[in-house]
Amino acid sequence: KNQVEQSPQSLIILEGKNCTLQCNYTVSPFSNLRWYKQDTGRGPVSLTIMTFSENTKSNGRYTATLDADTKQSSLHITASQLSDSASYICVVSGNTGKLIFGQGTTLQVKP
Amino acid sequence: AAGVIQSPRHLIKEKRETATLKCYPIPRHDTVYWYQQGPGQDPQFLISFYEKMQSDKGSIPDRFSAQQFSDYHSELNMSSLELGDSALYFCASSLGPPAYNSPLHFGNGTRLTVT
Repeated sequence: KNQVEQSPQSLIILEGKNCTLQCNYTVSPFSNLRWYKQDTGRGPVSLTIMTFSENTKSNGRYTATLDADTKQSSLHITASQLSDSASYICVVSGNTGKLIFGQGTTLQVKP
Repeated sequence: AAGVIQSPRHLIKEKRETATLKCYPIPRHDTVYWYQQGPGQDPQFLISFYEKMQSDKGSIPDRFSAQQFSDYHSELNMSSLELGDSALYFCASSLGPPAYNSPLHFGNGTRLTVT
């Protein structure tokens, strides 16, 4: 069964600190992996999208990594800000284009 | 920059009523996806369209139907509404066939409350 699992489920960090979110998937065949940020009650906003051949991709303070062999991805947030408080969702796409969503990691950044 | 527009933003209906949600994709985007997100849940894929044809179908109930029109906007029609249909309904659009590695752009959703 195609699945996407994220950890931790929730995370609290202090402003200015770094953090890393994890995503493991069993989707096969694999097409791409996306990280989204979702504020409460809003639509997900794309952070990064990586294909099989990409190992890392950055978007400002966000850096995503992908290990297609172990089927693992991480999202690293550097120098966190209060506005980073949101849910971060890992989404994996197979070759049909259907997206499999992870349950998300809820990040809370405290001053 | 233009984003995905969904309307209405909020909708309150009673059981057994019908509802129509609308989605206007980013200009030139030809693929539309519909997702349902219950409270504290991850989005569940309902259905997608590419070039006005259904491209994939997920966990969409038979009471729901959807289509993509010639101007690429899409409508999700929901009949015989049930309490469990209360959720946030997202529409997303992208450029190119669903299998392309193109970013999905989500709207801010329609919050449907069934009483």
